[in-house]
Amino acid sequence: ETTVTQSPASLSMAVGEKVSISCKTSTDIDDDMNWYQQKSGEAPKLLISEGNTLRPGVPSRFSSSGYGTDFVFTINNVLLGDEGIYYCQQSDNVPLTFGAGTKLELK
Amino acid sequence: EIQLQESGPGLVKPSQSLSLTCSVTGYTITSGYDWSWIRKFPGNKMEWMGYISNSGSTNYNPSLKIRISITRDTSKNQFFLQLNSVTTEDTATYYCARCAALGAFDYWGQGVMVTVSS
Repeated sequence: ETTVTQSPASLSMAVGEKVSISCKTSTDIDDDMNWYQQKSGEAPKLLISEGNTLRPGVPSRFSSSGYGTDFVFTINNVLLGDEGIYYCQQSDNVPLTFGAGTKLELK
Repeated sequence: EIQLQESGPGLVKPSQSLSLTCSVTGYTITSGYDWSWIRKFPGNKMEWMGYISNSGSTNYNPSLKIRISITRDTSKNQFFLQLNSVTTEDTATYYCARCAALGAFDYWGQGVMVTVSS
């Protein structure tokens, strides 16, 4: 099983700042990493899929990079509406596994 | 528009079985993709539980393998979760989701909170 270690657990940012979230995997997963946003009371929303591919309709402020075992998710110019929990998820092998989540709070 | 909706009891007693239904509209579950159950525990940990493929084969998380069953009713475009011998550790919000072949979850239901308590 591939373990996904996500950090930090929480962030408190000001509007306009840059957010960076790290996920490290215990096995080489190529670029099979996905990123989700979950706002309070809502279902998770897929933002970026394998190959660092931005999903249709997702603002270009969101991006990701990485290959192998180290991955980074970035939000440029963070907005109030970006508050929520962000998860990474590897889709290279079964069982599919998630990071522990990063709670993003806006000051 | 593709929509998924979970339904089922919100309270289950310990040692009993948890049964949930996912109703899919806007896409036929036999047309493609895999159809998963995922749960989110208090404290925000997410766990993939398993899927049923568009052909009807299943794949389960080894941590649940002896307790879980995912089935479907293609005439109703629904798939189901059964989790046996539940404990309080199974208290969670349960989601159904569509998954590209061993890929990302691109459509999700709103989730149903299930509490295991006597």
